Amino acid sequence: GAGVSQSPSNKVTEKGKDVELRCDPISGHTALYWYRQSLGQGLEFLIYFQGNSAPDKSGLPSDRFSAERTGGSVSTLTIQRTQQEDSAVYLCASSRASGVVDTQYFGPGTRLTVL
Amino acid sequence: AQSVSQHNHHVILSEAASLELGCNYSYGGTVNLFWYVQYPGQHLQLLLKYFSGDPLVKGIKGFEAEFIKSKFSFNLRKPSVQWSDTAEYFCAVNARRGSTLGRLYFGRGTQLTVWP
Repeated sequence: GAGVSQSPSNKVTEKGKDVELRCDPISGHTALYWYRQSLGQGLEFLIYFQGNSAPDKSGLPSDRFSAERTGGSVSTLTIQRTQQEDSAVYLCASSRASGVVDTQYFGPGTRLTVL
Repeated sequence: AQSVSQHNHHVILSEAASLELGCNYSYGGTVNLFWYVQYPGQHLQLLLKYFSGDPLVKGIKGFEAEFIKSKFSFNLRKPSVQWSDTAEYFCAVNARRGSTLGRLYFGRGTQLTVWP
């Protein structure tokens, strides 16, 4: 079946602009995760959605970062007033996670470059 | 908080050589363990995983890993590498319960280069 998809694949923006990154999880997966992969920090957890529960936002680096998940499916990660240190690959993952921790499957990522 | 250490940042081998990549984690509770691989230009893919049971797990492409609970280790092995194994390898762990349930903690990755 179809895997996790993300759009856009690449995004170049100017410092101070807002950006939105989209993730479509695998159909039927109730858990959705965002991670960030950067040269200096490796792979970092950002946020976790599980069904209708309140999301775990503890990994978001600042209040400029926010994420939504509409209808229990598609998720959007928004970065406001982008800074150069936000440049990274933003990865989305999903899992079945029906009350049991399960394997996370990753999308191709969105490469964000802030000029 | 949990942390994951991968001992080697870059490993260079010739084809047919044996491979062992080290991974240690720190966490006092029950964990799930994973190795992910990222081939050049591709996204992260699951190589193998350990949830419970036999501590020696086998994954795709001839890879295996052994969970040694007493050493908090989950080392990846392959008896004979191929040029196509050139990739970056990430060890990851998540907790099976608690406030950090679900989130993966990754090591910094090991870049494997295999010369033909």
